[in-house]
Amino acid sequence: QQQVKQSPQSLIVQKGGISIINCAYENTAFDYFPWYQQFPGKGPALLIAIRPDVSEKKEGRFTISFNKSAKQFSLHIMDSQPGDSATYFCAATAYSGAGSYQLTFGKGTKLSVIP
Amino acid sequence: DTGVSQDPRHKITKRGQNVTFRCDPISEHNRLYWYRQTLGQGPEFLTYFQNEAQLEKSRLLSDRFSAERPKGSFSTLEIQRTEQGDSAMYLCASSLREDTQYFGPGTRLTVL
Repeated sequence: QQQVKQSPQSLIVQKGGISIINCAYENTAFDYFPWYQQFPGKGPALLIAIRPDVSEKKEGRFTISFNKSAKQFSLHIMDSQPGDSATYFCAATAYSGAGSYQLTFGKGTKLSVIP
Repeated sequence: DTGVSQDPRHKITKRGQNVTFRCDPISEHNRLYWYRQTLGQGPEFLTYFQNEAQLEKSRLLSDRFSAERPKGSFSTLEIQRTEQGDSAMYLCASSLREDTQYFGPGTRLTVL
């Protein structure tokens, strides 16, 4: 059972354009939603995160929009740059009951920003 | 560099051999996670340590897998009798709080 669904699988954006990646979740116990950026051969790096009591969070060119009632959240990358070309993962976490706050990841979106 | 480190970065082994990976978390982080990532997929949770105690294990962690975190510092993940299906990137993450997890660069395992 995939608890976090991410789309699109791949995305091509012109330099300076807006990149939009969408995620939907099923588990209403999720209470923390981070986005990770991963370059080939590297580990995921935390980009930005949001909690469900906030509808939007902005950090520089990156914005998360959160819709609790629809159980959806999205990442917007403004003024996309070639250096943003990477795979982006949405994730969600909740207390497991056994001690951990394990992350549940989407399948990823490969973003290519072309000059 | 004060981030999460993992060693080795790459490991090639033959089917049936045992392998061990090491993770050094950020020094003050008491929470440590292991994840596995296969090609084209997001990371999947394997196991969790709080200090030296292993509190949670995923169903993905078969009997051939064992993890330790002696003294609550570094952690090791051992895979016995490796199979081709074990080929993946093994990621370690650490955190101080319950939310933000910081990942290491991963160990890429190839089983021939």
